[in-house]
Parts: sequence; structure tokens; C-alpha cells
Amino acid sequence: DQQVKQNSPSLSVQEGRISILNCDYTNSMFDYFLWYKKYPAEGPTFLISISSIKDKNEDGRFTVFLNKSAKHLSLHIVPSQPGDSAVYFCAAKAGGGNKLTFGTGTQLKVEL
Amino acid sequence: KAGVTQTPRYLIKTRGQQVTLSCSPISGHRSVSWYQQTPGQGLQFLFEYFSETQRNKGNFPGRFSGRQFSNSRSEMNVSTLELGDSALYLCASSLDRGLASNEQFFGPGTRLTVL
Repeated sequence: DQQVKQNSPSLSVQEGRISILNCDYTNSMFDYFLWYKKYPAEGPTFLISISSIKDKNEDGRFTVFLNKSAKHLSLHIVPSQPGDSAVYFCAAKAGGGNKLTFGTGTQLKVEL
Repeated sequence: KAGVTQTPRYLIKTRGQQVTLSCSPISGHRSVSWYQQTPGQGLQFLFEYFSETQRNKGNFPGRFSGRQFSNSRSEMNVSTLELGDSALYLCASSLDRGLASNEQFFGPGTRLTVL
């Protein structure tokens, strides 16, 4: 039962353009959402997060949007840079503790 | 400040054996979580330890176990290894101030191959 889904396994974007990565979830108990970036042979690195009481959070080139009614969130990267090429994971938490439920990831490739 | 360290980085075992993986969290972090990453299932939560107590547990069989020591270091053990246990095992630590926004920092992982 995949409670967090990333339906696009890969995405290719030109340098300088916007990258939009999408994530859907099914569990209404999720109240905190995160995006992680992962390079090969490294652990995931935290990028940005959003609480369920908000609909947008921005940090530099990264913005996360949350649509609770649609159970959908997205990560926007503007402008995209070649160094952004990595696998991006969406993750969600419900209540206390640090248990994260991850999506299956989207491989982003930013081309010159 | 040193990051999360995991040892060993690579491990090869045969079916039926048991294995112990180690994780040293960032200094001061009291929460340690373990995840399994496989191509087919993605990143799946195994368990979380906080102040030497298991606080959360994922849906893995009892062959997977863990513990946390008083210095917050953690170990996970897999007994009676199966081919399907081949995976990247990731450890994450958190300062855990009781907030939803507790950031988790991941180690580089231990790549386990079961032959």
C-alpha cells in the first residue's frame, strides 16, 4: 500500500527553466511533508518542508506547494541548475516521532 | 560537527547468516531511525529509537531488530538473511525537540549484499 506516490520516475529540464516535481498521498493523518534530494552513494539530504497548516513554503530557489483537499504537493525549482540533477524523494509524517513515509522518487536531470 | 556515520559501508553475506550494522548519530542527537532502500520498494522505515527505547516500528519481520545505547549510537541486526534483504540500509539522526519540523540527517548508508 503506497501511501506516498511519485508518479513520474524521471524528469528532464533545461538549465534555467523551472522543474516541477509532484507527489500524491492517501493518508489523511499526514501532517508534515518533506522533500529530500539524493545523489548516488550518499544518504538523502533534506531540502524543504511544509506543515499541513500551510499551503506554500519557500526557501531560495525551492518552493513547496501543498493542496490538502487534493492530497497533492509539488516542489518547484527555479531556476534549475545542472547541480540539481539527482533523485528527489517526497516524504510525509503523521503525528509525533520521526517515522517518514517516502515516495519512490523522481530522477531529475537538468541539461545544459 | 561530524555527520551521521555508518559502518561498515559495504558488506557481503550469504543466506542464513546474520549481520549487525552500526550507526553513530550527530553529537547531541537522541533519535535514530533506520530505513531500507531497495529498487523495488524504495525507502521503507524500519524502526526509530529515542533515548534507548523503540518509539516507532515499520512493517518488517521479527528478523529485523535494533537497539540504541546510552550514547545514542544504534545498531540494527538482521538474522537468517534472505536474498531479498540485499539493500542499502540508511540511518538518520535527529535532535528531536518534540516538533514536527525535526530535521533528520541521513548517513551514507551500508550496502548489504546477500548471496
